[in-house]
Amino acid sequence: SSELTQDPAVSVALGQTVRITCQGDSLRSYYASWYQQKPGQAPILVIYGKNDRPSKISDRFSGSTSGNTASLTITGAQAEDEADYYCNSRDTSGVVVFGGGTKLTVL
Amino acid sequence: QVQLVESGGGLVKPGGSLRLSCAASGFNFSDYYMTWIRQAPGKGLEWISYVSSSGKTVYYADSVKGRFTISRDNAKNSLFLQMSSLRDEDSAVYYCARELDMEVWGQGTTVTVSS
Repeated sequence: SSELTQDPAVSVALGQTVRITCQGDSLRSYYASWYQQKPGQAPILVIYGKNDRPSKISDRFSGSTSGNTASLTITGAQAEDEADYYCNSRDTSGVVVFGGGTKLTVL
Repeated sequence: QVQLVESGGGLVKPGGSLRLSCAASGFNFSDYYMTWIRQAPGKGLEWISYVSSSGKTVYYADSVKGRFTISRDNAKNSLFLQMSSLRDEDSAVYYCARELDMEVWGQGTTVTVSS
């Protein structure tokens, strides 16, 4: 099955913009979804489809795809955005794969 | 409100079996695909399986294929994961989620496989 690769850790200064990326061949055919997970909590969906957000998710979060790379952008990062972020997508065989996750630190 | 509640986790010996349940409420369960995901301690998320809304189509990760079986009872708004031949590496928090986009998650149930 396909693999999705994420940087293990990314940092951003408070109020700045950060991009978290996810690379994999499956992203040429399927959009990525993005999840935020804080310690001790279940993940929550923040971006899905081309660039759709669940209603309760801040518009600071946006998504995009170029080639085999999907990106989650947080514009004006806040302290509460510090979390682990995971991408996933389907692949052509029908299975789902997650990236390894990116730990975001807000400085 | 939309809610998913997992249950059935616990301590089991290697080679043993366990059945997890996920009770859904607040939405028309039979309209949605459902997914199981797990997270080993200190590790990332791992997709395990999903089932179509009718229950007729299922997919599994290679790591659990042949050992785990996903099923659902739409009349009881419930999702299940039958786990057998459990291994140490199956120890994890197991989450159920709605749809392939995993737009709603439960809080998880912990499975520990240890002798």
